[in-house]
Amino acid sequence: QKEVEQNSGPLSVPEGAIASLNCTYSDRGSQSFFWYRQYSGKSPELIMFIYSNGDKEDGRFTAQLNKASQYVSLLIRDSQPSDSATYLCAVGMDSSYKLIFGSGTRLLVRP
Amino acid sequence: DTGVSQDPRHKITKRGQNVTFRCDPISEHNRLYWYRQTLGQGPEFLTYFQNEAQLEKSRLLSDRFSAERPKGSFSTLEIQRTEQGDSAMYLCASSPVERGELFFGEGSRLTVL
Repeated sequence: QKEVEQNSGPLSVPEGAIASLNCTYSDRGSQSFFWYRQYSGKSPELIMFIYSNGDKEDGRFTAQLNKASQYVSLLIRDSQPSDSATYLCAVGMDSSYKLIFGSGTRLLVRP
Repeated sequence: DTGVSQDPRHKITKRGQNVTFRCDPISEHNRLYWYRQTLGQGPEFLTYFQNEAQLEKSRLLSDRFSAERPKGSFSTLEIQRTEQGDSAMYLCASSPVERGELFFGEGSRLTVL
């Protein structure tokens, strides 16, 4: 059973729109939640992390966490073509801070 | 400053050969992680170190894989008797103790012919 689930996409949005990326996880004891961006052929780059229920904003990015529903999302406002990438959701399962990754959602921002 | 450094960036080898990858973490980071990623998948955890101690190794990791982190600085990942199924991107990441953010290197891409 996959522990972190993401829709593979692609999610296609027009430039300037809001892109909404979603992730669910299975372990209720999960403590930490991360979003990474990965361009084709490159390594994952950390863009957001969230530890508490609610919203966390950083520039055009907002991470949302709902532990009761075991759901975490990433909103990208004013999407740009340069945001086109695969977005990986990762969940920290225990004190090792080992992260379990989803398979990623591919985002395409159309000019 | 530099981020996490990995070497080599690309390795092509024949089946049955041994390969070794090196990772130099961010200098003040105590934790070091190895992940493997194949096309269309997220990174898969292999093993991690805190300082020089290897604290966890994935059950999926066969005995052909071994990792070390002597003196708690750089780490090596060795794959013995490579198989075509070992072809993947091998990612190293580091993080400071008590914080969960992992910072990845550029990866070492392995192709086994």
